[in-house]
Amino acid sequence: DIQMTQSPSSLSASVGDRVTITCRASQGIRNDLGWYQQKPGKAPKRLIYAASSLQSGVPSRFSGSGSGTEFTLTISSLQPEDFATYYCLQHNSYPRITFGQGTRLEIK
Amino acid sequence: EVQLVQSGAEVKKPGESLKISCKGSGYSFTSYWIGWVRQMPGKGLEWMGIIYPGDSDTRYSPSFQGQVTISADKSISTAYLQWSSLKASDTAMYYCARHVSIAASPDYWGQGTLVTVSS
Repeated sequence: DIQMTQSPSSLSASVGDRVTITCRASQGIRNDLGWYQQKPGKAPKRLIYAASSLQSGVPSRFSGSGSGTEFTLTISSLQPEDFATYYCLQHNSYPRITFGQGTRLEIK
Repeated sequence: EVQLVQSGAEVKKPGESLKISCKGSGYSFTSYWIGWVRQMPGKGLEWMGIIYPGDSDTRYSPSFQGQVTISADKSISTAYLQWSSLKASDTAMYYCARHVSIAASPDYWGQGTLVTVSS
């Protein structure tokens, strides 16, 4: 199976900060990667698909980049509603789709 | 508006069977795949498997093959996840999610169904 290693596992930041989360794949996955935000008690919400395409309705402060084995999710200026857990998902090796272990973003 | 509406929370005993559902609306149910994702208490997301309601083509993650059964009834736009004999370790939140294709990340998600298995 393709392993997705997400870092950091947790992160403290302040409103207005620029934040970057990284996912590394154990083998190349082209751009077959999505990023998700999950708030407590809620279903995940897709932010980014195909590594760098912004989901409709998602604020432009979210962006994704990368291809192959290294990917990043960047939030350019943190807003209070952005404090949540973020997951990457690779869908290159379907049906063996795998998630990263998650990054918990907390208020400093 | 695309919606996936899941059945309500369940409390079951070990060894019991269970079938939970996910009803799609606002799109052509038979033209998209439906996947299932597990989230154990306080843990991350695990992808379980996927079904194409148009022809019931079903694929499972190796970790879940033989542990659960995924099915769909296209006449009522509903997908299912079922267990024949629950274990305490099946206690989790289960989400369904729509995939544009089997090779795409899921876009829309259900609200989740909490399954609690306890004696």
